[in-house]
Amino acid sequence: AQSVTQLDSQVPVFEEAPVELRCNYSSSVSVYLFWYVQYPNQGLQLLLKYLSGSTLVKGINGFEAEFNKSQTSFHLRKPSVHISDTAEYFCAVSKAAGNKLTFGGGTRVLVKP
Amino acid sequence: DVKVTQSSRYLVKRTGEKVFLECVQDMDHENMFWYRQDPGLGLRLIYFSYDVKMKEKGDIPEGYSVSREKKERFSLILESASTNQTSMYLCASSRPGLAEADTQYFGPGTRLTVL
Repeated sequence: AQSVTQLDSQVPVFEEAPVELRCNYSSSVSVYLFWYVQYPNQGLQLLLKYLSGSTLVKGINGFEAEFNKSQTSFHLRKPSVHISDTAEYFCAVSKAAGNKLTFGGGTRVLVKP
Repeated sequence: DVKVTQSSRYLVKRTGEKVFLECVQDMDHENMFWYRQDPGLGLRLIYFSYDVKMKEKGDIPEGYSVSREKKERFSLILESASTNQTSMYLCASSRPGLAEADTQYFGPGTRLTVL
């Protein structure tokens, strides 16, 4: 079975500052990795995903994440955040050739002016 | 534009009631999922379905059942609601992807309160 740990439950950050959200996973098999975002009072939407190939993945809204197999991590970054990035962010993992996702506990990002 | 809709945004029920949560997708997706979302625990899979009339248990199926009679509709049933089932319930759908995990599309959620 796989598991996902998001190391920070809340991250306050000032507008235009960089942000990094940490995600570590454990799995005995190859995995696919995802970051989803949930804006207030909405469902989740996909930010980016890593399936194979380049370990640096670029997503929507200026976010990117880097897959590090040796450290079993998939940290999410944005060089300059906006107020509109205030949301909860979820890291998720699935077994390669599988459909079920295992989610981390989520990280709430609060962008302050 | 892809769309997953859930029958209610907010629902209040009493302990012991039978509760139906409905989810409809218009993307002709084979896979559909029900999750519950609780603070600090993220999303946990309750049940999923990979075809009409097919279902598989997720990580926390106890106290829940599901029904998928039509491809576009996936229902979550709480046979006898209890206060520990107070939560946000999210439905999702995706294309099948045995060779490649595909994006899941989520509905807006139903916040269920059981009194």
